[in-house]
Amino acid sequence: NAGVTQTPKFQVLKTGQSMTLQCAQDMNHEYMSWYRQDPGMGLRLIHYSVGAGITDQGEVPNGYNVSRSTTEDFPLRLLSAAPSQTSVYFCATMAGFDTQYFGPGTRLTVL
Amino acid sequence: ILNVEQSPQSLHVQEGDSTNFTCSFPSSNFYALHWYRWETAKSPEALFVMTLNGDEKKKGRISATLNTKEGYSYLYIKGSQPEDSATYLCATNSGGSNYKLTFGKGTLLTVNP
Repeated sequence: NAGVTQTPKFQVLKTGQSMTLQCAQDMNHEYMSWYRQDPGMGLRLIHYSVGAGITDQGEVPNGYNVSRSTTEDFPLRLLSAAPSQTSVYFCATMAGFDTQYFGPGTRLTVL
Repeated sequence: ILNVEQSPQSLHVQEGDSTNFTCSFPSSNFYALHWYRWETAKSPEALFVMTLNGDEKKKGRISATLNTKEGYSYLYIKGSQPEDSATYLCATNSGGSNYKLTFGKGTLLTVNP
């Protein structure tokens, strides 16, 4: 039982490049979300999903796309990376309104 | 965007001291209040989820209370230990959306041996 996994752990991109941050869970939780963590800003919600085929925007969705084709996977896409997207990204899952479980994080640097 | 405030921003205590932090949140359309413990270079780890006014939860030396009418929660640590050093986050999904969690900026606790 791996819980919530994220890949890659670290990534360096150049401005304008695209990439996908992967998130997978084996807990059969319907709710999944993506957060970014920046110094002094705490955790901010980017996008979330309440089930396969359903996604919605969080607090800071601009510059990011998501899709949810399966219960297990919730990838986050950066179509054209910008230095302002340099951050640590966390994926999380939750069953109902219960405990939220976080992945180990992806540290992204955009040059 | 909800306003979730945590105080203090940081706190230094001596080993053995007891301490507490505050989380303030909008009381309207409240669903749940979450507390997380976040150690450096790790991911946040859930401590408590509370839903009812007057809820009190306890895990070892850590406990939390909830007042949904006035919109605040307290986290208490009894007899702090160096391993309690971490950032403590609260989050709520109040305000009309039962799934969108809004986090406070956290309280950084440092326990000196």
